[in-house]
Amino acid sequence: DAGVTQSPTHLIKTRGQHVTLRCSPISGHKSVSWYQQVLGQGPQFIFQYYEKEERGRGNFPDRFSARQFPNYSSELNVNALLLGDSALYLCASSLVTDTGELFFGEGSRLTVL
Amino acid sequence: QKEVEQDPGPLSVPEGAIVSLNCTYSNSAFQYFMWYRQYSRKGPELLMYTYSSGNKEDGRFTAQVDKSSKYISLFIRDSQPSDSATYLCASQGSYIPTFGRGTSLIVHP
Repeated sequence: DAGVTQSPTHLIKTRGQHVTLRCSPISGHKSVSWYQQVLGQGPQFIFQYYEKEERGRGNFPDRFSARQFPNYSSELNVNALLLGDSALYLCASSLVTDTGELFFGEGSRLTVL
Repeated sequence: QKEVEQDPGPLSVPEGAIVSLNCTYSNSAFQYFMWYRQYSRKGPELLMYTYSSGNKEDGRFTAQVDKSSKYISLFIRDSQPSDSATYLCASQGSYIPTFGRGTSLIVHP
């Protein structure tokens, strides 16, 4: 079975640009979460979606937005990129939302110059 | 104070050693406790999962939760160089897991 897939794996943007990151969950998983991981730190929660509804939002500015599609795939959008947005963006899928069993993708490494 | 605290290390041990990795948490509502392993430049991989207090064993790995002291531990027996990675502890009350910053483990031959 395919795991969580994310695209692109690496990308470089300049300040002020916009980025869209994509995630396909494990088949049968209806929940997708997004995390930001800065080097040397643990993953920081950005969004969680379940059945296309936003279930939770972390402490991130409105420049960050996300959505989940009918096939349960998801997009994370970041507008007006800042240098501090450089990080590994992780997508995780799960069967349910309340047990903490997350299955992560390999991440999208974003570098903002 | 962060909700989940973890010493970043690095922790360096010889092959075959017993490794003890630890976290503390502050939120009494946390009921689910996880350990994830993350190799360099990869996504985290769920290693162990426990509900409430107690021990759980899986091969060389044992996870231990003490809710009275809000202490989470992961023990690795007969450590191998392939165990070299960052170990993230995480806790959850409802919906959103909170992660520690990870402990870097180096097992040298």
